Amino acid sequence: DIQMTQSPSSLSASVGDRVTITCRASQTISSYLHWYQQKPGKAPKLLIHAASSLQGGVPSRFSGSGSGTDFTLTISSLQPEDFATYFCQQSYSPPPTFGGGTKVEIK
Amino acid sequence: QVQLQESGPGLVKPSQTLSLTCTVSGGSVSSGGYYWSWIRQPAGKGLEWIGRLYTSGSTYYNPSLKSRVTISVDTSKNQFSLKLTSVTAADTAVYYCARDVFYTSGSPGWFDPWGQGTLVTVSS
Repeated sequence: DIQMTQSPSSLSASVGDRVTITCRASQTISSYLHWYQQKPGKAPKLLIHAASSLQGGVPSRFSGSGSGTDFTLTISSLQPEDFATYFCQQSYSPPPTFGGGTKVEIK
Repeated sequence: QVQLQESGPGLVKPSQTLSLTCTVSGGSVSSGGYYWSWIRQPAGKGLEWIGRLYTSGSTYYNPSLKSRVTISVDTSKNQFSLKLTSVTAADTAVYYCARDVFYTSGSPGWFDPWGQGTLVTVSS
């Protein structure tokens, strides 16, 4: 299985901050990388697919980049509703696997 | 818009079979271009893909669970189901169903949308 490693596992930030989350694959996955946001007690919500394509209805402050093995999710200006856990997922090689998550907390 | 809703027992005894159903509304489980997946999340932990099904009946399972998993579809009820046999405490998790979106090339893609999830506890 392809291992997905996210860093950091948690971070504290303030409203308005620029936040960057990293996801690294154990082997190349081209651009078959997707990002989700999960709030407590809720299902994950798709933010970005194919590394950099913003899902419809997702605010433009979210962006994704990368290819190969290294990917980033950036929130350009953190908003109160963005405090959540973020997961990456690869679909390059079955089974699809997820990163361990990055919890974004209020500083 | 498509919505998914999981249902089934919240408590299962060890060694028994976990059975869950996902009801699809706002769309058809027979729609071409999509697979339908089950994913689980133990409390405080990450996400684990269990398996997927296409309306043709084709199924693909996570090798780590393959010997215990069956996913099936009931197109007349617009539902798909999960059965996991010989459960242990390690199978305690929130179970999600999700639509599995594939690239136009036919390569697997992302999961969207997801059901709200249902907690299944394995305990005697």
